This record gives sequence, structure tokens and C-alpha cells, in this order.
Amino acid sequence: GIQVEQSPPDLILQEGANSTLRCNFSDSVNNLQWFHQNPWGQLINLFYIPSGTKQNGRLSATTVATERYSLLYISSSQTTDSGVYFCAVERRRGSTLGRLYFGRGTQLTVWP
Amino acid sequence: GAGVSQSPSNKVTEKGKDVELRCDPISGHTALYWYRQRLGQGLEFLIYFQGNSAPDKSGLPSDRFSAERTGESVSTLTIQRTQQEDSAVYLCASSLVYGGEAFFGQGTRLTVV
Repeated sequence: GIQVEQSPPDLILQEGANSTLRCNFSDSVNNLQWFHQNPWGQLINLFYIPSGTKQNGRLSATTVATERYSLLYISSSQTTDSGVYFCAVERRRGSTLGRLYFGRGTQLTVWP
Repeated sequence: GAGVSQSPSNKVTEKGKDVELRCDPISGHTALYWYRQRLGQGLEFLIYFQGNSAPDKSGLPSDRFSAERTGESVSTLTIQRTQQEDSAVYLCASSLVYGGEAFFGQGTRLTVV
């Protein structure tokens, strides 16, 4: 399968700080998504971003598919940003088309 | 419906019993996925449906696990003779087409005692 590595595994911030989360993947992909898993376990879609840059409020993401990485930027963090951030990718080819491969996530804690 | 719906939200069962978990995908979504998340872990792929067919069942952990989908809509994940190691949150997702943006339900928390 495809390897997905997320860094850092844990991140602790004070409210108002900015942060960058990274996702590296080992093969060509045709789908990359960022999710936020809130403390109640719900996975919330942040970005569907197989390539390029997108922004949504305080969050933005960039995927450089040719270099096999994606970055999630969180600006002016708030306590409600706490939770686990997952990167998930789908391979471009092979018998596992359709399967999303998840990283192990980044646990973000934002203190007031 | 507006989102992916899973039922029950929580299920406590005795070891050795069978359980059925249900997933209602977003209307019109042709692709449906089941994942498992153990406490503090990432998501583990179980099975994927394109329409009513399951091209990839390789993630099912044992022959006690099976899944079906009917009418290109509802899917049921069945676990027979449950074991304690089956305790986890089972998450369902759907996407308009395979490879498209996937949306997750709230999950079913299964506890085997």
C-alpha cells in the first residue's frame, strides 16, 4: 500500500498562534483530503486537495503532488481547533483504487 | 439525507454474539467505505463498495466480518461471534464517485464485553 506520514504527532499551542501540519506520502495520488476529528469523534472535512492551494477562513492547505507532500496551515488558532488532524490519500493506480489511506494524525491542543 | 447516517451510535454486546451495523450514505453517492478506528489509533480500511459491488474486501480482518450493500444505498457490516478485539468505532463514508471527496458518518462505537 501507500505510506502516509504526518508530522508532528503532537502539537500544543497557545490561542492565537499559527501552525503548520505536514503530510508526506509515498506514491502518486489522485485524491488527498484533510480531516479534523473533533473530541466527539466526528470526522469533519477540511479540504479535498489533490493538488494546488485552497483557503477556508483561518485554514489553508497546499498539496505539491509532484513532491508528494501536503501542508495544512492553521492561523490564529482557537481552542475549538483542538482535536486530531488526519491526512488521507488515494492511490492513482492499482487494485486499491477507491481506498483512502490515512496517516496516524496530528493531535493538536490549543490552550486559552 | 443531508449526511452519512450510522446506527446504532453505540452498541454493547457480549462476546460471541453477532452484531449488525448500518450505514445510510448521502443520497446519490455511488461509493461507500467502512473503516475501523481503535482507541487512540488511526483509521483502518475494511471494505469499499462501488454501487452494490465490493471490489476490495482485503481489509476485512477475518471471515467473521462481512458486508453488503443493496439498492446502491444502505450498507450493513456484520460481525459474527464478536471478540473483545473487535471493540472499536466503526466509521462509514460515502463519496459521489470513487476517488471523490469522502464524507464520514458519526460512527458506531462497539464494545464487546
